[in-house]
Amino acid sequence: SYVLTQPPSVSVAPGKTARIPCGGANIATKTVHWYQQRPGQAPVLVIYYNRDRPSGIPERFSGSNSGNTATLTISRVEAGDEADYYCQVWVWDANTGGVFGGGTKLTVL
Amino acid sequence: EVQLVESGGGLVQPGGSLRLSCAASGFTFRSYWMHWVRQAPGKGLVWVSRIKGDETGTMYADSVKGRFTISRDNAKNTLYLQMNSLRADDTAVYFCARDRDGDYVPYFDSWGQGTLVTVSS
Repeated sequence: SYVLTQPPSVSVAPGKTARIPCGGANIATKTVHWYQQRPGQAPVLVIYYNRDRPSGIPERFSGSNSGNTATLTISRVEAGDEADYYCQVWVWDANTGGVFGGGTKLTVL
Repeated sequence: EVQLVESGGGLVQPGGSLRLSCAASGFTFRSYWMHWVRQAPGKGLVWVSRIKGDETGTMYADSVKGRFTISRDNAKNTLYLQMNSLRADDTAVYFCARDRDGDYVPYFDSWGQGTLVTVSS
C-alpha cells in the first residue's frame, strides 16, 4: 500500500514561512491535495491539484510537488493558521483508494 | 452554499450495527461522487468508502470491506453508510465529503461536521 509521511509537528514564528512536507515514493507522479483542520472542526481544502487554491483561501498558501516530497508552504504565518494539516492522494488500485498523510500540527509560536 | 449534515452516530456494542446518513443541499447531488472519511479520537484522517453519483460504482478501504455498505438516495439527496459487525477500532468521527473530481483525481472540496460513532460494551 502507498504511504504518505508527514512530520508530527512544525513550529514557526508569526510572520515567518512554514513548510510542511509530505513524503511518498515518487509522489511527483501523483496529484496531491492538502486540508487544514482546526480543533473540533471539519477539514477544509486549502490546496488541490498540487498547487491550486480554492476560492477564499489566502494567497499565502501554496503547494509544490517534486521527486519524493510534496510541500505545503504558508507565508507570513498568522495565529489563525495554527491547525493540523493533512496531505492526500488517490491510488488507483482495487485495494487502496484514498490515502492521507498522518497529519502535521502547525504551532504558531 | 454546499451543506452536508451527518446524523446517526451513537454508542453501539461490539458486533452491532449502525446506519449513518448525510443530508446534502446546495448542489446537484446526483452529479457528484461522495465519500465517507473517519477520524479516530486524537488520530488522523482515514478514507473509508466512496460511491458514484449514479450509484454504478462503489469502493471500500480494506479495513471495512465486507462489513460496511455505502449507498445513496438521489431523490432524497442523502448519502448512507450501513455499518455492521462493528469493532472497537471503528470508533471515530465519521465525515461525509463531496468529491470534486471523482473520475480522475478524487479530492474532497466540501465536508460535513461529522458524527461520532463509539463502539464499546
